[in-house]
Amino acid sequence: DVKVTQSSRYLVKRTGEKVFLECVQDMDHENMFWYRQDPGLGLRLIYFSYDVKMKEKGDIPEGYSVSREKKERFSLILESASTNQTSMYLCASSPRTLIAKNIQYFGAGTRLSVL
Amino acid sequence: TQLLEQSPQFLSIQEGENLTVYCNSSSVFSSLQWYRQEPGEGPVLLVTVVTGGEVKKLKRLTFQFGDARKDSSLHITAAQPGDTGLYLCAGNSGGGADGLTFGKGTHLIIQP
Repeated sequence: DVKVTQSSRYLVKRTGEKVFLECVQDMDHENMFWYRQDPGLGLRLIYFSYDVKMKEKGDIPEGYSVSREKKERFSLILESASTNQTSMYLCASSPRTLIAKNIQYFGAGTRLSVL
Repeated sequence: TQLLEQSPQFLSIQEGENLTVYCNSSSVFSSLQWYRQEPGEGPVLLVTVVTGGEVKKLKRLTFQFGDARKDSSLHITAAQPGDTGLYLCAGNSGGGADGLTFGKGTHLIIQP
Protein backbone atom coordinates (compact mmCIF):
# COMPACT_ATOMS: atom_id res chain seq x y z
CA ASP A 1 0.00 0.00 0.00
CA VAL A 2 1.20 3.48 -0.86
CA LYS A 3 2.50 5.39 2.13
CA VAL A 4 3.65 8.97 2.59
CA THR A 5 4.32 9.78 6.22
CA GLN A 6 4.72 13.23 7.68
CA SER A 7 6.45 13.21 11.04
CA SER A 8 4.05 15.52 12.87
CA ARG A 9 0.32 16.17 12.51
CA TYR A 10 0.42 19.34 14.61
CA LEU A 11 3.26 21.71 15.48
CA VAL A 12 3.33 24.95 17.46
CA LYS A 13 6.44 27.09 17.15
CA ARG A 14 7.50 30.59 18.07
CA THR A 15 8.47 33.36 15.71
CA GLY A 16 12.15 33.13 14.78
CA GLU A 17 12.52 29.43 15.52
CA LYS A 18 14.05 27.07 12.97
CA VAL A 19 11.46 24.47 11.99
CA PHE A 20 11.97 21.11 10.31
CA LEU A 21 9.09 19.26 8.64
CA GLU A 22 9.94 15.70 7.69
CA CYS A 23 8.38 13.51 5.03
CA VAL A 24 9.13 9.89 4.21
CA GLN A 25 7.74 7.76 1.39
CA ASP A 26 8.08 4.00 1.02
CA MET A 27 7.23 3.68 -2.68
CA ASP A 28 10.72 4.33 -4.14
CA HIS A 29 9.35 7.40 -5.94
CA GLU A 30 11.79 9.74 -7.62
CA ASN A 31 9.73 12.92 -7.24
CA MET A 32 8.77 14.57 -3.98
CA PHE A 33 6.91 17.81 -3.33
CA TRP A 34 6.07 20.25 -0.56
CA TYR A 35 2.87 22.30 -0.71
CA ARG A 36 1.14 24.62 1.67
CA GLN A 37 -2.64 24.85 1.79
CA ASP A 38 -4.47 27.94 2.96
CA PRO A 39 -8.19 28.79 2.93
CA GLY A 40 -9.14 30.60 -0.25
CA LEU A 41 -5.70 30.03 -1.80
CA GLY A 42 -5.71 26.28 -2.37
CA LEU A 43 -2.52 24.23 -2.63
CA ARG A 44 0.62 26.13 -3.57
CA LEU A 45 3.88 24.44 -4.48
CA ILE A 46 6.84 25.45 -2.33
CA TYR A 47 9.66 23.18 -3.55
CA PHE A 48 10.03 19.88 -5.35
CA SER A 49 12.80 17.39 -5.97
CA TYR A 50 13.47 15.07 -8.92
CA ASP A 51 16.14 13.04 -7.26
CA VAL A 52 18.50 12.81 -4.32
CA LYS A 53 20.28 16.12 -3.68
CA MET A 54 18.26 17.82 -6.41
CA LYS A 55 15.72 20.55 -5.71
CA GLU A 56 13.67 23.03 -7.68
CA LYS A 57 11.77 26.10 -6.53
CA GLY A 58 8.03 26.03 -6.80
CA ASP A 59 5.67 28.98 -6.83
CA ILE A 60 6.33 30.29 -3.30
CA PRO A 61 9.84 29.29 -2.13
CA GLU A 62 10.61 32.46 -0.17
CA GLY A 63 11.31 31.77 3.49
CA TYR A 64 11.75 28.03 2.92
CA SER A 65 14.52 25.61 2.04
CA VAL A 66 14.56 21.85 1.49
CA SER A 67 16.87 18.89 1.82
CA ARG A 68 16.84 15.54 0.01
CA GLU A 69 19.79 13.47 1.23
CA LYS A 70 18.04 10.13 0.72
CA LYS A 71 15.53 9.10 -1.92
CA GLU A 72 12.79 8.33 0.57
CA ARG A 73 13.09 11.48 2.66
CA PHE A 74 12.31 15.12 1.81
CA SER A 75 12.60 17.78 4.48
CA LEU A 76 11.15 21.27 4.50
CA ILE A 77 13.01 23.85 6.57
CA LEU A 78 11.77 27.18 7.84
CA GLU A 79 14.99 28.99 8.72
CA SER A 80 13.24 31.62 10.85
CA ALA A 81 9.56 30.95 11.27
CA SER A 82 7.13 33.82 10.88
CA THR A 83 3.44 34.11 11.66
CA ASN A 84 2.55 34.21 7.96
CA GLN A 85 3.93 30.70 7.66
CA THR A 86 1.11 29.36 9.81
CA SER A 87 -0.52 26.87 7.46
CA MET A 88 -1.25 23.26 6.57
CA TYR A 89 1.83 21.71 4.94
CA LEU A 90 1.39 18.75 2.62
CA CYS A 91 4.09 16.45 1.31
CA ALA A 92 3.56 14.37 -1.83
CA SER A 93 5.51 11.92 -3.95
CA SER A 94 5.13 10.59 -7.47
CA PRO A 95 6.86 8.08 -9.71
CA ARG A 96 8.68 9.13 -12.82
CA THR A 97 7.20 6.45 -15.04
CA LEU A 98 5.64 7.82 -18.22
CA ILE A 99 2.14 6.63 -17.47
CA ALA A 100 1.94 7.41 -13.78
CA LYS A 101 4.15 10.44 -13.43
CA ASN A 102 1.28 12.84 -12.89
CA ILE A 103 -0.21 10.91 -10.01
CA GLN A 104 0.79 12.32 -6.65
CA TYR A 105 0.35 10.57 -3.32
CA PHE A 106 -0.09 12.82 -0.33
CA GLY A 107 0.72 12.57 3.34
CA ALA A 108 -1.85 13.46 5.99
CA GLY A 109 -0.42 16.94 6.43
CA THR A 110 1.24 18.94 9.20
CA ARG A 111 -0.72 21.80 10.66
CA LEU A 112 1.87 24.38 11.75
CA SER A 113 1.04 27.32 13.98
CA VAL A 114 3.65 30.04 14.45
CA LEU A 115 2.99 32.28 17.44
CA THR B 1 1.06 30.83 -14.87
CA GLN B 2 -1.62 28.27 -15.62
CA LEU B 3 -4.81 28.59 -13.61
CA LEU B 4 -7.57 26.14 -12.85
CA GLU B 5 -10.89 27.66 -11.81
CA GLN B 6 -13.25 25.45 -9.87
CA SER B 7 -16.95 26.11 -9.43
CA PRO B 8 -18.91 26.28 -7.32
CA GLN B 9 -16.64 27.08 -4.41
CA PHE B 10 -19.17 25.75 -1.90
CA LEU B 11 -22.10 23.39 -2.38
CA SER B 12 -24.50 22.02 0.22
CA ILE B 13 -27.24 19.63 -0.90
CA GLN B 14 -29.50 16.93 0.50
CA GLU B 15 -28.72 13.24 0.39
CA GLY B 16 -30.01 11.65 -2.80
CA GLU B 17 -29.61 14.71 -5.03
CA ASN B 18 -27.35 14.90 -8.07
CA LEU B 19 -24.64 17.50 -8.54
CA THR B 20 -21.94 18.62 -10.95
CA VAL B 21 -18.77 20.54 -10.19
CA TYR B 22 -16.54 22.13 -12.78
CA CYS B 23 -12.87 22.73 -13.38
CA ASN B 24 -12.00 25.23 -16.13
CA SER B 25 -8.87 26.72 -17.63
CA SER B 26 -7.75 28.70 -20.65
CA SER B 27 -4.72 26.40 -20.87
CA VAL B 28 -4.40 22.94 -22.35
CA PHE B 29 -3.38 20.15 -19.97
CA SER B 30 -1.82 16.83 -20.91
CA SER B 31 -3.75 15.22 -18.09
CA LEU B 32 -6.02 16.21 -15.28
CA GLN B 33 -6.62 14.61 -11.91
CA TRP B 34 -9.43 14.82 -9.38
CA TYR B 35 -8.66 14.42 -5.68
CA ARG B 36 -10.89 14.35 -2.61
CA GLN B 37 -9.68 15.69 0.70
CA GLU B 38 -11.37 15.08 4.04
CA PRO B 39 -10.84 17.39 7.01
CA GLY B 40 -7.43 16.93 8.63
CA GLU B 41 -6.20 14.60 5.90
CA GLY B 42 -4.22 14.87 2.69
CA PRO B 43 -5.84 14.71 -0.76
CA VAL B 44 -6.56 11.26 -2.15
CA LEU B 45 -6.53 10.62 -5.89
CA LEU B 46 -9.91 9.69 -7.40
CA VAL B 47 -9.16 9.58 -11.13
CA THR B 48 -6.82 10.71 -13.89
CA VAL B 49 -8.13 11.68 -17.34
CA VAL B 50 -5.77 11.94 -20.27
CA THR B 51 -7.66 11.93 -23.59
CA GLY B 52 -9.87 14.78 -24.77
CA GLY B 53 -13.53 13.77 -24.44
CA GLU B 54 -12.68 10.92 -22.08
CA VAL B 55 -15.33 9.81 -19.59
CA LYS B 56 -14.51 7.73 -16.52
CA LYS B 57 -16.87 6.32 -13.97
CA LEU B 58 -16.14 5.47 -10.36
CA LYS B 59 -19.35 4.03 -8.86
CA ARG B 60 -21.67 7.07 -8.57
CA LEU B 61 -19.01 9.52 -9.75
CA THR B 62 -18.61 10.39 -13.44
CA PHE B 63 -15.59 12.37 -14.62
CA GLN B 64 -15.32 13.99 -18.03
CA PHE B 65 -12.35 15.64 -19.73
CA GLY B 66 -13.24 18.33 -22.25
CA ASP B 67 -12.56 17.74 -25.94
CA ALA B 68 -9.96 20.51 -25.97
CA ARG B 69 -8.37 19.26 -22.70
CA LYS B 70 -8.94 22.62 -21.02
CA ASP B 71 -11.77 21.68 -18.69
CA SER B 72 -13.28 18.85 -16.72
CA SER B 73 -16.41 18.04 -14.76
CA LEU B 74 -17.33 15.74 -11.91
CA HIS B 75 -20.91 14.53 -11.65
CA ILE B 76 -22.19 12.72 -8.57
CA THR B 77 -25.43 10.77 -8.75
CA ALA B 78 -27.55 10.23 -5.65
CA ALA B 79 -25.09 11.94 -3.32
CA GLN B 80 -24.45 10.41 0.08
CA PRO B 81 -23.08 11.94 3.31
CA GLY B 82 -19.86 9.99 2.73
CA ASP B 83 -19.26 12.11 -0.39
CA THR B 84 -18.72 15.16 1.81
CA GLY B 85 -15.28 16.69 1.35
CA LEU B 86 -13.10 19.09 -0.61
CA TYR B 87 -12.84 18.15 -4.29
CA LEU B 88 -9.69 19.33 -6.02
CA CYS B 89 -8.80 19.24 -9.68
CA ALA B 90 -5.15 19.36 -10.70
CA GLY B 91 -3.52 19.55 -14.08
CA ASN B 92 -0.12 18.95 -15.60
CA SER B 93 0.93 20.88 -18.68
CA GLY B 94 3.18 18.08 -19.93
CA GLY B 95 6.31 20.17 -19.72
CA GLY B 96 9.50 19.26 -17.90
CA ALA B 97 8.21 19.83 -14.41
CA ASP B 98 6.16 17.17 -12.71
CA GLY B 99 4.46 19.58 -10.34
CA LEU B 100 0.71 19.92 -10.63
CA THR B 101 -1.38 23.08 -10.82
CA PHE B 102 -4.27 22.79 -8.38
CA GLY B 103 -7.64 24.50 -8.42
CA LYS B 104 -8.84 25.99 -5.13
CA GLY B 105 -11.41 23.27 -4.71
CA THR B 106 -15.12 22.77 -4.22
CA HIS B 107 -16.29 22.26 -0.64
CA LEU B 108 -19.14 19.75 -0.83
CA ILE B 109 -21.50 19.00 2.05
CA ILE B 110 -24.12 16.29 1.73
CA GLN B 111 -26.76 16.61 4.42
CA PRO B 112 -28.58 13.48 5.62
